[in-house]
Amino acid sequence: GQQLNQSPQSMFIQEGEDVSMNCTSSSIFNTWLWYKQDPGEGPVLLIALYKAGELTSNGRLTAQFGITRKDSFLNISASIPSDVGIYFCAGQLGGGGADGLTFGKGTHLIIQP
Amino acid sequence: GAGVSQTPSNKVTEKGKYVELRCDPISGHTALYWYRQSLGQGPEFLIYFQGTGAADDSGLPNDRFFAVRPEGSVSTLKIQRTERGDSAVYLCASSLTRGAGELFFGEGSRLTVL
Repeated sequence: GQQLNQSPQSMFIQEGEDVSMNCTSSSIFNTWLWYKQDPGEGPVLLIALYKAGELTSNGRLTAQFGITRKDSFLNISASIPSDVGIYFCAGQLGGGGADGLTFGKGTHLIIQP
Repeated sequence: GAGVSQTPSNKVTEKGKYVELRCDPISGHTALYWYRQSLGQGPEFLIYFQGTGAADDSGLPNDRFFAVRPEGSVSTLKIQRTERGDSAVYLCASSLTRGAGELFFGEGSRLTVL
């Protein structure tokens, strides 16, 4: 089945630093999404990407849908304490074939004071 | 309601017991998904409903797991003869239309099987 490899597994950064994480797949997806999950909560959608090569921003967050459709990255600029959490990439094949999302294992972001 | 609502938030049961987990999606959302999340892992797809029918149940691990959505709104995930390995957070999500990647998740039901 499809698998998503998300890296890094965890990041320890200083407040104010920029963050970069990525996700690769063994097969193509038609939609890439990035979610953030806080402890005891469900994942919350950050950015959705629908087209190969698409670059989308949401405030300090920027994400790109790779040209090959097999990868995506998420950047966070000027990190702040509330950015702490687990970030998941997710891919969707869609088109009536497989509408469920396949998630990566997550990148745990920790901000050091 | 404003968001996806799941009950109970926590459920502790004994091995072999039957469990039901309920999901109330966002009003007007036709697609409903169930996921399972184990500690340190991403959510794992279980089943997806479009309206009342299960459009894709390929993620259900075995026949002890079953889900229904009889009126196209509220859904119930049913687990028979629970095993310790079933312990996880069960997440429900809904989306406005089929195939739309923008899923909105509930806070989950944490199941612990002793």
